[in-house]
Amino acid sequence: ELKVEQNPLFLSMQEGKNYTIYCNYSTTSDRLYWYRQDPGKSLESLFVLLSNGAVKQEGRLMASLDTKARLSTLHITAAVHDLSATYFCAVDIWGAQKLVFGQGTRLTINP
Amino acid sequence: KAGVTQTPRYLIKTRGQQVTLSCSPISGHRSVSWYQQTPGQGLQFLFEYFSETQRNKGNFPGRFSGRQFSNSRSEMNVSTLELGDSALYLCASSLGPRGLANYGYTFGSGTRLTVV
Repeated sequence: ELKVEQNPLFLSMQEGKNYTIYCNYSTTSDRLYWYRQDPGKSLESLFVLLSNGAVKQEGRLMASLDTKARLSTLHITAAVHDLSATYFCAVDIWGAQKLVFGQGTRLTINP
Repeated sequence: KAGVTQTPRYLIKTRGQQVTLSCSPISGHRSVSWYQQTPGQGLQFLFEYFSETQRNKGNFPGRFSGRQFSNSRSEMNVSTLELGDSALYLCASSLGPRGLANYGYTFGSGTRLTVV
């Protein structure tokens, strides 16, 4: 059974700092997603990573995928308060037509 | 381009009742999947439909069922509601053929179900 684990689960950081969220998964997959969720809201798609070595960047967020290590990272650069949210990674397994989500990382950015 | 539409947004039901939730996918998307989100269990897969066929089902009791219509709209039904069914129910829409490079999942705003 595929397991997806994120760490840390909670992260409180100061504005202007850099940090990384890690997402490990237990079974081979070629497709990984990052989502953002604000309190009481739905999931907003951030990145789709399709192959080993994929790197995508949008503003202060950068995501990467290492399929050999079964690891994805979400790096936050010079954090700002607006990035406070819960971030989920999810793995898509060929043939299963479903996403398996990590537990989520609740990120709080303090002024 | 309209997004994924879920109705209703909020529901309050009594234990033992049943409920039906609706999801209209993005135009042209043929796959609809459903997820349950709770503080304790996180996001869990319920089922997925493509062209009116259920292709996969998660580990939920038979009280949870769904269907998809010819226009790709989907409904999920929960019968004999229990307190533990209180959750945010999210549906996700995708094109369907996984081989497409832009294959991805777009989520609706969700239906928040409270069982009292």
